[in-house]
Amino acid sequence: QQQVKQSPQSLIVQKGGISIINCAYENTAFDYFPWYQQFPGKGPALLIAIRPDVSEKKEGRFTISFNKSAKQFSLHIMDSQPGDSATYFCAASMSGSSNTGKLIFGQGTTLQVKP
Amino acid sequence: EAGVTQFPSHSVIEKGQTVTLRCDPISGHDNLYWYRRVMGKEIKFLLHFVKESKQDESGMPNNRFLAERTGGTYSTLKVQPAELEDSGVYFCASSKNRVEQFFGPGTRLTVL
Repeated sequence: QQQVKQSPQSLIVQKGGISIINCAYENTAFDYFPWYQQFPGKGPALLIAIRPDVSEKKEGRFTISFNKSAKQFSLHIMDSQPGDSATYFCAASMSGSSNTGKLIFGQGTTLQVKP
Repeated sequence: EAGVTQFPSHSVIEKGQTVTLRCDPISGHDNLYWYRRVMGKEIKFLLHFVKESKQDESGMPNNRFLAERTGGTYSTLKVQPAELEDSGVYFCASSKNRVEQFFGPGTRLTVL
């Protein structure tokens, strides 16, 4: 059962444009939603994360928008650059001392930013 | 501070052989996780250690997989005997607080 669904599978954006990747989750017990960025040959690197008590978090050109009622969250990359070309994964987990913190990942989105 | 390291980076083995993957977490991180990504699908959780104790093995595919973390430092993941469907990229991650997880570069396993 896929608990976190991510779309689109691939995305091509022109330099300077906005890249938007969407994720939807099912388990309302999730309370931590990170985004990971992965370059070829490297492991996933934590990019930005949000908790459900806020609707938006911004770090530089990267913004997470969170809609708790819809059980959806999205990553927006403003002024996309060729160096942003990578695979992006959304994830969800349950934090708290009684949980393991295991991450449930979406399928990944391959982003290509054209110069 | 050194990140999570994994060895080997690639492994190609024949079906039926044994392979052992190693993960060295970030120093001081008691939590260690193993994940696997198969054929471009989502990254899936395999198991979680706290120090040397297994906390959650719910993602382990079957009893051909054995994970250990002796002494609470590095961890090994052994696949014996390997099957074709075990091919994929195996990631290790470590965490101090079970929230932020830092991933290693992964081991690409190919079973022929």
